Amino acid sequence: GENVEQHPSTLSVQEGDSAVIKCTYSDSASNYFPWYKQELGKGPQLIIDIRSNVGEKKDQRIAVTLNKTAKHFSLHITETQPEDSAVYFCAAPRTGTASKLTFGTGTRLQVTL
Amino acid sequence: NAGVMQNPRHLVRRRGQEARLRCSPMKGHSHVYWYRQLPEEGLKFMVYLQKENIIDESGMPKERFSAEFPKEGPSILRIQQVVRGDSAAYFCASSPPSADTRYFGPGTRLTVL
Repeated sequence: GENVEQHPSTLSVQEGDSAVIKCTYSDSASNYFPWYKQELGKGPQLIIDIRSNVGEKKDQRIAVTLNKTAKHFSLHITETQPEDSAVYFCAAPRTGTASKLTFGTGTRLQVTL
Repeated sequence: NAGVMQNPRHLVRRRGQEARLRCSPMKGHSHVYWYRQLPEEGLKFMVYLQKENIIDESGMPKERFSAEFPKEGPSILRIQQVVRGDSAAYFCASSPPSADTRYFGPGTRLTVL
């Protein structure tokens, strides 16, 4: 089955710096890779996603890159702000089980002033 | 367009009681997914339902847990004879037909005393 590994588990950056979170997946047939942001006491919120037919997608300060050969995808946040502080989860689907989105273990991002 | 709604937001039960968690998907979404999140951990898939059908329940414990998504009304996750280990946040997500994107609700935080 799909195995999704996420690194780092915690990340502290200064305001204005960039943050990068990386995930690796095992199922080469996976074709959809979302990223979620979860603030304390709230549900996960989809912030960006990418499909396997593109290598990069950008939305303002957030970008996701995908390397299908190496089976990893990364979240890039530029010009970080205190409100970016949250837990970020990546996910990848299991082939043959359209229902199962396997989540990474999460990265706690802390943006300090 | 209202997002995914879950109620109650917080639920306290004593060991042996029943817990009922409700989820109303986004308008136009006919697919519902339930996930469990333990403190400081990621999201674990439990069950995937469409209207009146359980599509995939491979992540759900075999005993005490059940889920339904009737033709009318919200999806319900039911936990019978709760134990302390059931204490967690339970999140519901929904998606439109034939779509990968999941939108999460705010969650129900279950505490078993």
